[in-house]
Amino acid sequence: EVQLLESGGGLVQPGGSLRLSCAASGFTFSSYAMSWVRQAPGKGLEWVSVISNSGGSTYYADSVKGRFTISRDNSKNTLYLQMNSLRAEDAAVYYCAKAPYSSSWASFFDYWGQGTLVTVSS
Amino acid sequence: DIQMTQSPSSLSASVGDRVTITCRASQDISNYLAWFQQKPGKAPKSLIYAASSLQSGVPSKFSGSGSGTDFTLTISSLQPEDFATYYCQQYNSFPITFGQGTRLEIK
Repeated sequence: EVQLLESGGGLVQPGGSLRLSCAASGFTFSSYAMSWVRQAPGKGLEWVSVISNSGGSTYYADSVKGRFTISRDNSKNTLYLQMNSLRAEDAAVYYCAKAPYSSSWASFFDYWGQGTLVTVSS
Repeated sequence: DIQMTQSPSSLSASVGDRVTITCRASQDISNYLAWFQQKPGKAPKSLIYAASSLQSGVPSKFSGSGSGTDFTLTISSLQPEDFATYYCQQYNSFPITFGQGTRLEIK
């Protein structure tokens, strides 16, 4: 059974940093691209970033480019999102999502985690 | 960016009903359209990809159609577990974008 378990969310001040993790199990993690998608409270979904199966290719939404970094450790079956210079508008539930392909090209997601909440407030 | 517009935003229906949700893209996305279901506090669940292909394990009561800019999700014979929020998503190009969601409520 595919499982994606996010962690690392919490309360952070504006301008602060946070690193999210997504532990994957139930599939060959190193074979698939992975994404982060976020949902602000009461709002819709916003795609954040994608990384190819090898980690060699990444893409970002303009809203986070230059501030967020996606990475993965295939030896640990874990996806990461390093978030720097956080803003109030970054507050959201962050989901990791699995693509059905290895490439980092735009894709749908066949499995999602349950999310981790990031709150940005002073 | 490609804008995805769903209609209606909310929908009331009864158990046993058949409902249709529409998703319109602001430009041609071929069939690069997915649908998924979200329940409060739960992980989103993939239903359909490539506009009309059913995700493994998803019951055939869910069906999708369309291409280009106009798409539909149809759910037949509604059951209590089907009442949730449904989203469309385009993956024709970056940035990946989502519809605003359709909340399906019990009448």
